[in-house]
Amino acid sequence: AQSVAQPEDQVNVAEGNPLTVKCTYSVSGNPYLFWYVQYPNRGLQFLLKYITGDNLVKGSYGFEAEFNKSQTSFHLKKPSALVSDSALYFCAHPYGQNFVFGPGTRLSVLP
Amino acid sequence: DVKVTQSSRYLVKRTGEKVFLECVQDMDHENMFWYRQDPGLGLRLIYFSYDVKMKEKGDIPEGYSVSREKKERFSLILESASTNQTSMYLCASSFLLGSSLHTGELFFGEGSRLTVL
Repeated sequence: AQSVAQPEDQVNVAEGNPLTVKCTYSVSGNPYLFWYVQYPNRGLQFLLKYITGDNLVKGSYGFEAEFNKSQTSFHLKKPSALVSDSALYFCAHPYGQNFVFGPGTRLSVLP
Repeated sequence: DVKVTQSSRYLVKRTGEKVFLECVQDMDHENMFWYRQDPGLGLRLIYFSYDVKMKEKGDIPEGYSVSREKKERFSLILESASTNQTSMYLCASSFLLGSSLHTGELFFGEGSRLTVL
């Protein structure tokens, strides 16, 4: 079965510190992986994706993610967190015409 | 920019009422989806459609139906609302997998928060 896991329900980080939101995957075939962000009372927005090529993927709002095949991980990172980064983050894997989503990780950036 | 518009941001209905949630996209996407979002459960697929008049059940179709009479519009229907259908409903769209236009992304509406009393 295709699945993505986000082992942390909540991540707290101080403004200006680096942040990491974790994702691990269990998929057969090509491990295409996505990150989406959801701000309060809004829909999800695409952040970045890994398809093939460079294991370090850069996306919107200064975020990046590192694909690690040996650890089956695709962690989301940002060198310096902003209070405005506080949101719900979802890791996802396309499956057929659909997507499999992780349960989400709530990121709180404290001023 | 792609726009996915959901007709109502907030709705309050009573048990047993019929509820229509409408979604319109303006990017000529073949695929349209309805998800339900609940705390701790992430996004769960209710139904999706890959063409006009075509629909496929997702993970939790019970208690819901859908309608896609036009390519740009995908409606979610709760025939008889129940309190356990209180939730956030998200509509999304994308190009068909295999299409030269397919980028892999889903484009989401702002969500419809439904409360059933």
